[in-house]
Amino acid sequence: GENVEQHPSTLSVQEGDSAVIKCTYSDSASNYFPWYKQELGKGPQLIIDIRSNVGEKKDQRIAVTLNKTAKHFSLHITETQPEDSAVYFCAAETGANNLFFGTGTRLTVIP
Amino acid sequence: EADIYQTPRYLVIGTGKKITLECSQTMGHDKMYWYQQDPGMELHLIHYSYGVNSTEKGDLSSESTVSRIRTEHFPLTLESARPSHTSQYLCASSDTRTAKNEKLFFGSGTQLSVL
Repeated sequence: GENVEQHPSTLSVQEGDSAVIKCTYSDSASNYFPWYKQELGKGPQLIIDIRSNVGEKKDQRIAVTLNKTAKHFSLHITETQPEDSAVYFCAAETGANNLFFGTGTRLTVIP
Repeated sequence: EADIYQTPRYLVIGTGKKITLECSQTMGHDKMYWYQQDPGMELHLIHYSYGVNSTEKGDLSSESTVSRIRTEHFPLTLESARPSHTSQYLCASSDTRTAKNEKLFFGSGTQLSVL
């Protein structure tokens, strides 16, 4: 089955700096890798995703890169703002078309 | 904004009680899920359903049960709650018939505390 590791578990950055969160997965058959953001008191919300036929995808200040050979993918947030503070989860799609989530990263952006 | 609702938002009950956590979505999504989120933040899939009368066990074994009698409704039941069931329970749904079929829409969760 799939296993997804995520690092770091906590991350603090100064406002305006960049934040990078990394994930590795085990199942080479996985083809879909989303990132979810969970704010306090809310459920996770999809912020960006990438499929295995693409190496990089960008949406304004957020970008995701995928290295399928090495089986790792990363989330990059540039020009961080206080409202970026949240818990971020990476995920990989399993054979049953379900998502297997990473362990989460608590990002704190210090004003 | 996702139209998926969970009730209650918080629940504190005693050991041995039977409880049902409600989850409803108004988006017409066919697939629904229950995730358990422990205090360490990890999300574990405990149940999912492809549609009416379909229920499947997830990656994490759970003593809870689910039912899917109506497309929009996916309740989770614990027959006899124990302190080990204390956790955050998140319901989600997705529309597998569209191009972005993997996108999950989550409810705000039910925080269950069993004393």
